[in-house]
Amino acid sequence: AQSVAQPEDQVNVAEGNPLTVKCTYSVSGNPYLFWYVQYPNRGLQFLLKYITGDNLVKGSYGFEAEFNKSQTSFHLKKPSALVSDSALYFCAVSATDSWGKLQFGAGTQVVVTP
Amino acid sequence: GAVVSQHPSWVICKSGTSVKIECRSLDFQATTMFWYRQFPKQSLMLMATSNEGSKATYEQGVEKDKFLINHASLTLSTLTVTSAHPEDSSFYICSAIDSSYEQYFGPGTRLTVT
Repeated sequence: AQSVAQPEDQVNVAEGNPLTVKCTYSVSGNPYLFWYVQYPNRGLQFLLKYITGDNLVKGSYGFEAEFNKSQTSFHLKKPSALVSDSALYFCAVSATDSWGKLQFGAGTQVVVTP
Repeated sequence: GAVVSQHPSWVICKSGTSVKIECRSLDFQATTMFWYRQFPKQSLMLMATSNEGSKATYEQGVEKDKFLINHASLTLSTLTVTSAHPEDSSFYICSAIDSSYEQYFGPGTRLTVT
C-alpha cells in the first residue's frame, strides 16, 4: 500500500520569503512523486514530478522539490513566495506498477501575506 | 499542453435522481482515465480507473452499482451517479493519461444533491 503525509495543514509565509511545503511518502518499490496546486473550486494544476534521475526537480512557476530516498521525503520549495502562490498544495505518489493511480496527501494550505 | 474538460462544471439534482458527468480529452486520446472525489477541504480520493472498451476498475469501498463508469471512446469517459443522495454531494475530478504517460486533470464537477 502507498501513502503520503503532509504534516502541515497550513503554511504561512510573508511575500518574498522562502516557501517550503513538506511531504513524506511510503510506497513499495521506487516511487513516482508529484506536486499539484489547487485554487478554490478548480481542478489540479501540475507543478512537478520525480520519476528517476536527479534528486532536485524543477517545475512550474519557480517551484522545485528534492527527492530524498533515505528520509522518504519530497518537500516542495520556492525561494521567494508570491501572494499569488496562496493555494492548496497536494503531494501525491504512484507506485511503479500502478502508473496514474495517485495517492494524495491531505493537502497543505499556503497563505502568503503581502 | 493537453486539455481535459468536464461537463457540467456544477450540477444540482434532487435525491433519487441520476446525474451524468462527462470527462473529455480534447486534443489527445486517452486509453485510461481516472475518477477522483474530493470532499470540502479534504484530499482527493481515487474512485475508479476507466479503461476504454472495458469495464472500470473500482477502488475498495466504492460502490460500482452506484457510480457507473463508461469509457466508450478514446476521448470520453462518463461517470453516472445513480439514485443520488445528499451524501454523494462532492467535487468530482477526472484525469486522463496520454500516450506519453502524462496525466492531465479536468477542472472538476461540483455535485450538490438536495
